[in-house]
Amino acid sequence: DTEVTQTPKHLVMGMTNKKSLKCEQHMGHRAMYWYKQKAKKPPELMFVYSYEKLSINESVPSRFSPECPNSSLLNLHLHALQPEDSALYLCASSPIGDTQYFGPGTRLTVL
Amino acid sequence: QKEVEQNSGPLSVPEGAIASLNCTYSDRGSQSFFWYRQYSGKSPELIMFIYSNGDKEDGRFTAQLNKASQYVSLLIRDSQPSDSATYLCAAFTGTASKLTFGTGTRLQVTL
Repeated sequence: DTEVTQTPKHLVMGMTNKKSLKCEQHMGHRAMYWYKQKAKKPPELMFVYSYEKLSINESVPSRFSPECPNSSLLNLHLHALQPEDSALYLCASSPIGDTQYFGPGTRLTVL
Repeated sequence: QKEVEQNSGPLSVPEGAIASLNCTYSDRGSQSFFWYRQYSGKSPELIMFIYSNGDKEDGRFTAQLNKASQYVSLLIRDSQPSDSATYLCAAFTGTASKLTFGTGTRLQVTL
């Protein structure tokens, strides 16, 4: 089973809202990732958690705040986003860091 | 800038033909290589990975790796209309602990 789940599937938020994206995997993977993907572009890495610790932050603006409550869960807290942040947000997990399995994504629209 | 390059396409092949998708990478430290299939509006789905020089076959898919030439390819035999998607090539570098994606090749399988 290589299933990564993400909620919600779709999210519409205003620029003053606070919302969170959630990701879950029960495969025992120790690395989890957040990516952002704009239309007709490849996924762009945002954050990497390895053994529940933040190991990579790709200079993402502070309006995006990741959290890893435990080895199965990954959250992305959103605050004061801009319309250009509208994108498909992808969570992925990996057993050893290279083979990554993606969740279905959250389609985010910022008004 | 470490890069993975792909022809954006579209690559158009008739149903039943072999589709050949190509990818080059610039970082000689890249250790493992991945092919993801992405349907429009969906998340990337891992279809093949390869670590060693040579060919690796899985059903209708064959991945080929030539580290000396820094070249990775994906062959899809007996192409079906359901294979129409964007194919993302990715390289993993251990030192950076992350995947670098190409921009993807759009494949169209025509009836």
